[in-house]
Amino acid sequence: AQRVTQPEKLLSVFKGAPVELKCNYSYSGSPELFWYVQYSRQRLQLLLRHISRESIKGFTADLNKGETSFHLKKPFAQEEDSAMYYCALYISGTYKYIFGTGTRLKVLA
Amino acid sequence: ETGVTQSPTHLIKTRGQQVTLRCSSQSGHNTVSWYQQALGQGPQFIFQYYREEENGRGNFPPRFSGLQFPNYSSELNVNALELDDSALYLCASSLRGSETQYFGPGTRLLVL
Repeated sequence: AQRVTQPEKLLSVFKGAPVELKCNYSYSGSPELFWYVQYSRQRLQLLLRHISRESIKGFTADLNKGETSFHLKKPFAQEEDSAMYYCALYISGTYKYIFGTGTRLKVLA
Repeated sequence: ETGVTQSPTHLIKTRGQQVTLRCSSQSGHNTVSWYQQALGQGPQFIFQYYREEENGRGNFPPRFSGLQFPNYSSELNVNALELDDSALYLCASSLRGSETQYFGPGTRLLVL
């Protein structure tokens, strides 16, 4: 069965510390993976997608097919990074999206 | 550019009733997806509409149905409401081929 797992419900780090939000997926085909973010009192929005291979707000994510992972990383956390982060898998051909349960990131001053 | 809008923002219904939620797509988008988000959970994919047809569905029973109109706006209908249907319902629009979704603010449904 297709599944996205985000093992941490809450991740707290200090400002300036590195951040890694974990995402593992279960899918036998070629995955399309996304990270979405929801800041306080805002709607869910795209942060980045793996095919773009770009850095957004200092965040990067590399698809590791061997480990079936798509972890989100940032070398130096900022207070404004505090938000809810969701990893999502798109199953092409079925038009289905599967979201993880999310990780709340708190960046402490 | 107009973003995705949803109405109403909040709704209270009783068990067994029917509800209709509405969504207006972002300008230029032709695909709409609906999600159910229970408290503390990630969004669960209900279905997607493209060119007024359902072309992708998650694990939701047939009492969850939808429509897409020629202007790409959409409705989610839920019949025979159950207590577990209480959730935030999100609509997201996209352009077919891009798969990047733009979300609305959601409609919070409470079933008593």
